[in-house]
Amino acid sequence: AQTVTQSQPEMSVQEAETVTLSCTYDTSESDYYLFWYKQPPSRQMILVIRQEAYKQQNATENRFSVNFQKAAKSFSLKISDSQLGDAAMYFCAYSPPLVFGKGTRLSVIA
Amino acid sequence: NAGVTQTPKFQVLKTGQSMTLQCAQDMNHEYMSWYRQDPGMGLRLIHYSVGAGITDQGEVPNGYNVSRSTTEDFPLRLLSAAPSQTSVYFCASSSRTSGGAETQYFGPGTRLLVL
Repeated sequence: AQTVTQSQPEMSVQEAETVTLSCTYDTSESDYYLFWYKQPPSRQMILVIRQEAYKQQNATENRFSVNFQKAAKSFSLKISDSQLGDAAMYFCAYSPPLVFGKGTRLSVIA
Repeated sequence: NAGVTQTPKFQVLKTGQSMTLQCAQDMNHEYMSWYRQDPGMGLRLIHYSVGAGITDQGEVPNGYNVSRSTTEDFPLRLLSAAPSQTSVYFCASSSRTSGGAETQYFGPGTRLLVL
């Protein structure tokens, strides 16, 4: 079974700085998809970014980008110019089937 | 579109009681699923459905039943509630039944407390 590991239970970053959240996964498949979801205090799950394993180019969405290392099975999320609204739980996920890591709680310090 | 809706938002049960958590989506999605979220555990898949009349078990199915009689609705039934089922429950849907690239649309969650 596929597993997703987030080794940082908590992280903090100064407003306007950059932070990187780590994620590793284990799979024997060659075709799969990776996601980062954000969960603010409202508990709503919000898709931040998605990566197809067959694409070598790293996905980017505005201030959010990933570093996808397929051979190392690593999928880190970089948040640039951090904002107070970025404070949330961040979950790394693998699909299919959709399996989540345990999450990293990100705090943003003003 | 309302997206994915869940009712109730919060529920308190006594051990042994049964109840149904409702989930509905208006996006004509084939794939629907139920997750539970416990502190420090992330989200774990309970049951999922790839279309009306078809359901299957996920990682933690024990104590839960599902059915899918329509495309729109996917209720989750707790047969005999136990304190270990205290959790936040999320319903999700997506547009395709194959592959894995589909974005999951999540409902707002139901917080369940079993005493």
